[in-house]
Amino acid sequence: SQQGEEDPQALSIQEGENATMNCSYKTSINNLQWYRQNSGRGLVHLILIRSNEREKHSGRLRVTLDTSKKSSSLLITASRAADTASYFCATVFNAGGTSYGKLTFGQGTILTVHP
Amino acid sequence: ETGVTQSPTHLIKTRGQQVTLRCSSQSGHNTVSWYQQALGQGPQFIFQYYREEENGRGNFPPRFSGLQFPNYSSELNVNALELDDSALYLCASSSWSYGYTFGSGTRLTVV
Repeated sequence: SQQGEEDPQALSIQEGENATMNCSYKTSINNLQWYRQNSGRGLVHLILIRSNEREKHSGRLRVTLDTSKKSSSLLITASRAADTASYFCATVFNAGGTSYGKLTFGQGTILTVHP
Repeated sequence: ETGVTQSPTHLIKTRGQQVTLRCSSQSGHNTVSWYQQALGQGPQFIFQYYREEENGRGNFPPRFSGLQFPNYSSELNVNALELDDSALYLCASSSWSYGYTFGSGTRLTVV
């Protein structure tokens, strides 16, 4: 079963606009990660935020994490047509600090950026 | 460019057959995990191997099995294929649970 929900399911914007995607999850986490997937191919890791962090930046990406609300958001600023893809959040929970840490994914947000 | 290679890229099998999917892990990564992604869904965790032993499994039946080799490459085997097994199968390697590199996946179609 999926960890939670992503919102919106689909987002359509014009180049240059900002895109915001939200992710909610249900359990405790060690970290939360965002991935991009182009046309049903492999997943590309975008950014990781740990449970004790509230905000993280990487280039045009900004991720926030609110553990009290069990939610995260991904902001892509000044979007480009090449950002068109599906975006997934995934949580990791490592019980007891073992090396076992499966990724639990949301359903994803399909982002379309029009030139 | 990804350091994880999966083969084959596409595969068509008949219901009831068996299939083996392969994955080479990124250099320095000793953990490999497999995910199944149905069309329009997020990936679902199948299992993970660490130092050649399975150390975590998702909600998949025993006909899904795997191996990890001394060079950390891996295989996913599925017996008695069912139509619902049609999906994109993704392999990910990592050196710890904090960093994953995914392959491009194998698209399996069961007819």
